[in-house]
Amino acid sequence: DAGVIQSPRHEVTEMGQEVTLRCKPISGHNSLFWYRQTMMRGLELLIYFNNNVPIDDSGMPEDRFSAKMPNASFSTLKIQPSEPRDSAVYFCASSLGTGPEKLFFGSGTQLSVL
Amino acid sequence: AQTVTQSQPEMSVQEAETVTLSCTYDTSESDYYLFWYKQPPSRQMILVIRQEAYKQQNATENRFSVNFQKAAKSFSLKISDSQLGDAAMYFCAYRGGGSNYKLTFGKGTLLTVNP
Repeated sequence: DAGVIQSPRHEVTEMGQEVTLRCKPISGHNSLFWYRQTMMRGLELLIYFNNNVPIDDSGMPEDRFSAKMPNASFSTLKIQPSEPRDSAVYFCASSLGTGPEKLFFGSGTQLSVL
Repeated sequence: AQTVTQSQPEMSVQEAETVTLSCTYDTSESDYYLFWYKQPPSRQMILVIRQEAYKQQNATENRFSVNFQKAAKSFSLKISDSQLGDAAMYFCAYRGGGSNYKLTFGKGTLLTVNP
């Protein structure tokens, strides 16, 4: 298996632009997570999907952020409009179930908003 | 809310030596899981080791072992025979038991391995 695949690896955009980050979880995994990593706040959970349904989006910073999972093999995280403070590394991770099974992370998307 | 504290922002070790990374956590739960993740420059988050709170025996994975002190809420990582490839950021993480899904991470410790 190729693991969790995220694209793009790097994204540079200007303030006010729409940004879409993509994630393909490991086949067969039914839990998907989006995390954000910054120097100031560390790693934070943004949203959690189970069986394609958003279960917990309490970590989504504000209405400019939205996430979707239209099917079991694809998820997007969208920021519209983007702001410089959104600059961070965004990770997608997937697992089988919600227990202590191993959580597999993608390589992340480095987002820079100028 | 659970919190995870890594008090060492940076650590260094000589190749082939042993180093211990510290982690403390705060929780009122009795059932939970603790993890150490490694993040090399490639950014990939890699699970190093996992400990179930109900297990008294400390987890071990090859050169990596933990010292789990439940009463003290301490979970340190020991790396023996350090290798250059061990250089990375190390994160301690907590997850509650049952159907809990949320990982709470510490701020990380940057480990440098000197040849």
